[in-house]
Amino acid sequence: DAGVIQSPRHEVTEMGQEVTLRCKPISGHDYLFWYRQTMMRGLELLIYFNNNVPIDDSGMPEDRFSAKMPNASFSTLKIQPSEPRDSAVYFCASRWGSTDTQYFGPGTRLTVL
Amino acid sequence: GENVEQHPSTLSVQEGDSAVIKCTYSDSASNYFPWYKQELGKRPQLIIDIRSNVGEKKDQRIAVTLNKTAKHFSLHITETQPEDSAVYFCAASMYGGSQGNLIFGKGTKLSVKP
Repeated sequence: DAGVIQSPRHEVTEMGQEVTLRCKPISGHDYLFWYRQTMMRGLELLIYFNNNVPIDDSGMPEDRFSAKMPNASFSTLKIQPSEPRDSAVYFCASRWGSTDTQYFGPGTRLTVL
Repeated sequence: GENVEQHPSTLSVQEGDSAVIKCTYSDSASNYFPWYKQELGKRPQLIIDIRSNVGEKKDQRIAVTLNKTAKHFSLHITETQPEDSAVYFCAASMYGGSQGNLIFGKGTKLSVKP
């Protein structure tokens, strides 16, 4: 298996633009997680899905952030409009419900100018 | 909800020495405690984990101990090597219950000096 796949790996955009981050979980995994990592706040859980259904989105910073999981093999995290304070590395992770190990993707480094 | 505190935030040791990182958690219902290693510019990767029915677990130079009564767990790295330099994260979760997510500590930056 190729592991968790994220795209793009790097994104540079200007304030006010829409940004869409993409994630493909490991095949067969039924949990998917979106994290944001910054020096100041560490690794923060934004939202997670179970069987494509959002379970907990309490970590989503504000209405500018939205996430979807239209099927078991694809999820998106959208920021609209983006702001400089959104600059961070965004990780997607997945796991299979009957096991404990959570696997992280390579991350997307987002820079908002 | 669960809260995980991790100490120290930075740790510098000489090659060959031992390193210990400590975490405390708040929710006594937590039953799964993984440790992740993140090298610079890379993704977090699981290095060892422990469940609440076990007090200690070892894997070569790495060991984790759990004290359920005190609600704290620790990562021990012996005979440290320069390649152990990274940020280490502890986490806690109530797997098997209604929650599926991990709560992470803030991380410890370990530097191993040759």
